[in-house]
Order: sequence, then structure tokens, then C-alpha cells
Amino acid sequence: DSGVTQTPKHLITATGQRVTLRCSPRSGDLSVYWYQQSLDQGLQFLIQYYNGEERAKGNILERFSAQQFPDLHSELNLSSLELGDSALYFCASSVDNRVAEQYFGPGTRLTVT
Amino acid sequence: AQRVTQPEKLLSVFKGAPVELKCNYSYSGSPELFWYVQYSRQRLQLLLRHISRESIKGFTADLNKGETSFHLKKPFAQEEDSAMYYCALERTGGSYIPTFGRGTSLIVHP
Repeated sequence: DSGVTQTPKHLITATGQRVTLRCSPRSGDLSVYWYQQSLDQGLQFLIQYYNGEERAKGNILERFSAQQFPDLHSELNLSSLELGDSALYFCASSVDNRVAEQYFGPGTRLTVT
Repeated sequence: AQRVTQPEKLLSVFKGAPVELKCNYSYSGSPELFWYVQYSRQRLQLLLRHISRESIKGFTADLNKGETSFHLKKPFAQEEDSAMYYCALERTGGSYIPTFGRGTSLIVHP
């Protein structure tokens, strides 16, 4: 078990709604990454936080936002949901900001109907 | 912009056959390349990285800067190698934005 937890496991919601996905990193890890995995796009990097601060931004839509709290857990907020937002959202954590040291969570499957 | 291409969505082989999962990248600087693996019902995990030059579970990968490739190879595939494999690139220097390929599903038949 890598120690990264994500809640909820599954989420079904309607278009136009807003949801919050939660990630708790491994103990001691300061960096949190968010990814979106869809069938047609593969694994897309969304955003990274390091010790509470945004460190890097990838292909994240303006309707999406994230934050990392003082206890280092992170939340990804998705608003004005569209059908195309249906995907698996992964969180990963690492001690620092190096790709190779990332440990992935089990993911949250979001279905927008 | 950096890009990682895995041309095969699916690779199907028989046990004992050699395996090569292709990965090509485009990046103007000095990249670091990785292979991640996701077994059924398990989390995505790092398999190997090019700077380590190591063999993990019989897999090796050599960075070929001339061909901008980082193919994953194994001489004799095992059924337990069946999984989804992702090639990833991290650019060195500045902010570390990781780029993943779309993945190749490897199926090893008995």
C-alpha cells in the first residue's frame, strides 16, 4: 500500500454541478500532483502543489481548481461539470517535486450524466 | 512542447516471447524518462527510470537520444507482466511538469 488515499472512490453527478475530490498524501510527502485519465487522452497532468503552494500547472481547465491545506491534504474542485469531464482522477504524492518519486492513489472515478 | 508517444494501444504476445513496448518523445532539452506500470486492480507505480540503468522484473529500457526513444524490453514475457504500461518524461530544470504517454496494454497469453 503506497499510503496515498483518495475519496470518494466513485462519484456520479449531473452536468452543471460542482464536486470536490480529496487526496491525502503519504506521511512525510510534501508534494501532491493531480492527474486526469480518460480513454482518449490518457494520463494528463493537471496541477502540482508543494508544501501548500502551487508549483506547476498542466492542462487544467479554468473550471477546475485545487488547493493544498496546512495538513498537506489536497482537494480538486471541478465546477460546471460537462459530460467530457467524466474520467478517472488520480492523485500522487512525493517527498519533493520529482516525477520518479511519485506514489499514486487509487483514483476517483467521476461520471457526469 | 514536450510530448510522449506510445504508438501501440495494445500489444499481445505469448508467454516466453520477447516484448518491446515502444516510446518516442519530443523535447528539446535533456529529459528524464520513466516507465510506469499499472497491474489489474493496482495503483500506478514506477517501474524504472533511465538514469538508473537498472533491470526491474527483467525489463530494461535504453534512452536513445538520436532516435528520441525509450523502448521497454523484456526477452521472455511472463503472464504476470500483463498490465498497462506508461512512458513518462520529465523535463529537467525549472518546474517539473511530467508528461505521460497514452499507455500500452500488454497482454501475455499462456
